[in-house]
Amino acid sequence: GAGVSQTPSNKVTEKGKYVELRCDPISGHTALYWYRQSLGQGPEFLIYFQGTGAADDSGLPNDRFFAVRPEGSVSTLKIQRTERGDSAMYLCASSPILGQGAAGELFFGEGSRLTVL
Amino acid sequence: KQEVTQIPAALSVPEGENLVLNCSFTDSAIYNLQWFRQDPGKGLTSLLLIQSSQREQTSGRLNASLDKSSGRSTLYIAASQPGDSATYLCAVRQFVTSGTYKYIFGTGTRLKVLA
Repeated sequence: GAGVSQTPSNKVTEKGKYVELRCDPISGHTALYWYRQSLGQGPEFLIYFQGTGAADDSGLPNDRFFAVRPEGSVSTLKIQRTERGDSAMYLCASSPILGQGAAGELFFGEGSRLTVL
Repeated sequence: KQEVTQIPAALSVPEGENLVLNCSFTDSAIYNLQWFRQDPGKGLTSLLLIQSSQREQTSGRLNASLDKSSGRSTLYIAASQPGDSATYLCAVRQFVTSGTYKYIFGTGTRLKVLA
C-alpha cells in the first residue's frame, strides 16, 4: 500500500479480554516495529521484526504481549488478559532495508488507540 | 544506555517567528537521526532524516542539523505558521546486534503557534 495501515483505529475493551491489533507495512519494507505511546510521552519500543522473525522483542513488557509476522508482511500484536495499564496508542512503523533509498527512514501508521475499561 | 532529551518540552510563539527545537542524545554511536511531527491523536509523520555522515538536511521551511560528536541536533522552523502547531519528536537509530537496529525517541516538544 501507499503507507503503513493500522486497524482498528480505536479499540475499547474490558479488563481481562483479548485484543489483536493489525499492521500492514509499506510494500517491500522488511523491517517492522511496534511501539506504545502514552499521553505526553515519546514512543516506547516493543518489538522489531526483520522479515518473519522477531529480531528484538526486548521491549515487550510481559508475557501477555505477543506479536507475529508469519509471511513477512502484515503483523499482529496480541495482548492477552488486558489490564487498564495497557491503555495507550499502539504505533506500527516500517523501514526499508539498507541500500533501498532513504535507508533507515521510519514510516509510521496512524496508530491504534486502545482503551481498557 | 542511550537517552534522548528534547528541550523545551513546550513552546508557544506568535506567528511568523523563527524557532529552534533541540534534541540531545547521550551515545554518539548512531546511524541516523530523524525528526517527526505528531498531531494530537495521530501517528508520526517523518519530516527530515539525517544520516550520521551528514551535517544538515533541509525541506521547505525546515532545516535540521546534526552534531554527532556533541550529541546534538536542532530543528529550525522558519516563519512559523499556526499549521505548524504539533508535537515534534526526534529519534536516533542505533545498531544493537548483528543486523538489528533500534530507534530511541525523545519525549517531544509541544509547539503552539499563535495567529
